Amino acid sequence: DTGVSQNPRHKITKRGQNVTFRCDPISEHNRLYWYRQTLGQGPEFLTYFQNEAQLEKSRLLSDRFSAERPKGSFSTLEIQRTEQGDSAMYLCASSPTVGAGELFFGEGSRLTVL
Amino acid sequence: DQQVKQNSPSLSVQEGRISILNCDYTNSMFDYFLWYKKYPAEGPTFLISISSIKDKNEDGRFTVFLNKSAKHLSLHIVPSQPGDSAVYFCAASVDRGSTLGRLYFGRGTQLTVWP
Repeated sequence: DTGVSQNPRHKITKRGQNVTFRCDPISEHNRLYWYRQTLGQGPEFLTYFQNEAQLEKSRLLSDRFSAERPKGSFSTLEIQRTEQGDSAMYLCASSPTVGAGELFFGEGSRLTVL
Repeated sequence: DQQVKQNSPSLSVQEGRISILNCDYTNSMFDYFLWYKKYPAEGPTFLISISSIKDKNEDGRFTVFLNKSAKHLSLHIVPSQPGDSAVYFCAASVDRGSTLGRLYFGRGTQLTVWP
């Protein structure tokens, strides 16, 4: 399967703990995105990378959140000192720089903060 | 601020009939629009898109219509099938050519197609 892969699929943690999610994009895609989806809402943009450069960050990405894509391949999203409001589905997507224009999403990583 | 709005949280349609899902947007800078379908426990999958230079795009049973003056688009599915039952998200972006990536999504419409 050459789609976008996310790990772990589910994470349950206690408030105050740190969590990290990993995303492996489609191999030939330069762009990688992180979105967050909460119940009853559509996906909300968090940040995106072109190769290893982080080009845009949403104001939703507080200082407790950090995303990296060190070698322009996989990416990690770390949440420090988790809060119950961080409970959500974290979606990763990738796209080529040029092409049909759509994003290809992974299955998501569901975070539950107790 | 919700720049893309899907005002109907749910829609129920009989198999074989037409499903019409609606979407409104407020940002006149949006120039590219997409529809995604999402099944439970899966990520959204791309369905169909339309550029602002067009007012219609078809792909098999799916047709998207864009009315720029009304800032409204709709997705028509005909004939509807039970396998179409999913949440449908409308999304929009600005300047597809250079900065596509930041998609603005609506809240979704749950479509149920019953036999």
